[in-house]
Amino acid sequence: DIVMTQTPLSSPVTLGQPASISCRSSQSLVHSDGNTYLSWLHQRPGQPPRLLIYKISNRFSGVPDRFSGSGAGTDFTLKISRVEAEDVGVYYCTQATQFPQYTFGQGTKLEIK
Amino acid sequence: EVQLVESGGGLIQPGGSLRLSCAASGFTVSTNIMIWLRQAPGRGLEWVSVIHRGGQTYYADSVEGRFTISRDNSMNTLYLQMNSLRDEDTAVYHCARITSNVGTDYWGQGTLVTVSS
Repeated sequence: DIVMTQTPLSSPVTLGQPASISCRSSQSLVHSDGNTYLSWLHQRPGQPPRLLIYKISNRFSGVPDRFSGSGAGTDFTLKISRVEAEDVGVYYCTQATQFPQYTFGQGTKLEIK
Repeated sequence: EVQLVESGGGLIQPGGSLRLSCAASGFTVSTNIMIWLRQAPGRGLEWVSVIHRGGQTYYADSVEGRFTISRDNSMNTLYLQMNSLRDEDTAVYHCARITSNVGTDYWGQGTLVTVSS
């Protein structure tokens, strides 16, 4: 299975400041079809995860443009340009390149200082 | 509006069985890829089973031979039959829709399964 490793596991951030989360996969996420199936999910307390970013850098419907994704191969980053109160929760990277064997990072808890 | 609502969770003894349901609205289950995932405290997110629009099914090694995924097209509902339950199956179980080239775009709220004597 592809192992996904996130850093940091906890990120205290000041409102209005940027935040960044890294995700590294144990092997390349480039699929034989040329796509890289790396996504980011956000889970607020008591809520299910929701899709933020798919295929490295594509924002899902309704996701604010302060969220952006980047990376290639095995190294990926989620950035929030200016953190808002509603952004608290846990962020997960996930890969579907090895479908159906989805794997997830451990999660990064974003909290407000 | 796409909605997924899970039900059927509860407290069950080791070795017991449960059937989870995932009622869908706003789209057709049979023309989509559907997935069950679970989230256990301290163990993060884990995929459990997938059913492809063509009916092919896939299972994580940890549940192979014990769990069965299925769907009822007339009810637009996804199911997960869980047999021979173990303590380590304790988790919140979510169903989600998978859209090709996008991923798990809609998730249900989840249903809690607790396996304990």
